[in-house]
Amino acid sequence: DTAVSQTPKYLVTQMGNDKSIKCEQNLGHDTMYWYKQDSKKFLKIMFSYNNKELIINETVPNRFSPKSPDKAHLNLHINSLELGDSAVYFCASSSRQGASEQYFGPGTRLTVT
Amino acid sequence: QQQVKQSPQSLIVQKGGIPIINCAYENTAFDYFPWYQQFPGKGPALLIAIRPDVSEKKEGRFTISFNKSAKQFSLHIMDSQPGDSATYFCAAGPSTGNQFYFGTGTSLTVIP
Repeated sequence: DTAVSQTPKYLVTQMGNDKSIKCEQNLGHDTMYWYKQDSKKFLKIMFSYNNKELIINETVPNRFSPKSPDKAHLNLHINSLELGDSAVYFCASSSRQGASEQYFGPGTRLTVT
Repeated sequence: QQQVKQSPQSLIVQKGGIPIINCAYENTAFDYFPWYQQFPGKGPALLIAIRPDVSEKKEGRFTISFNKSAKQFSLHIMDSQPGDSATYFCAAGPSTGNQFYFGTGTSLTVIP
């Protein structure tokens, strides 16, 4: 069983479109995250939710909106996609905030043309 | 501002060599220092983590050395193997905080 799953794995779309990435974890964790990994492999946290409550909202354009319908799911919706949004997006979860192992999903490679 | 500085950016060693990856931080509130390993096309996975109450931690062929006064920590991979070829990320953060901060990553290639 996959601990943290993301769909889709690949997403190719045109500028200006709106798209969503879904994430689900079956680990019973309370905390979930979204990270962006750019072409240089730099990992940057975007959002963190704890028990469905937004905890971290880094400097991310408001075109990005996370939604957590329940503790096991954290989806990422992106409006008006731009070329610079092309990256790999990782969902992760942990049993608690802070010093706790984070379990990453397989990533979603988003390409904006 | 980069909270955690990592070097080198890339590293190539022969099989059996001991690659060393270094990280430095400034925030003295940081007390949790994990290392993550990422293979191509996969998400990062926790490799080993250390807290500042010890200066060294070993798990198999992987060792973290920690220098609290210098605010530096490093990963050593003993008897490196081609299967260790991956990108390695250090991270640091406060154990009671909301997040930890990743370094910029080191791409390791172990040549057979």
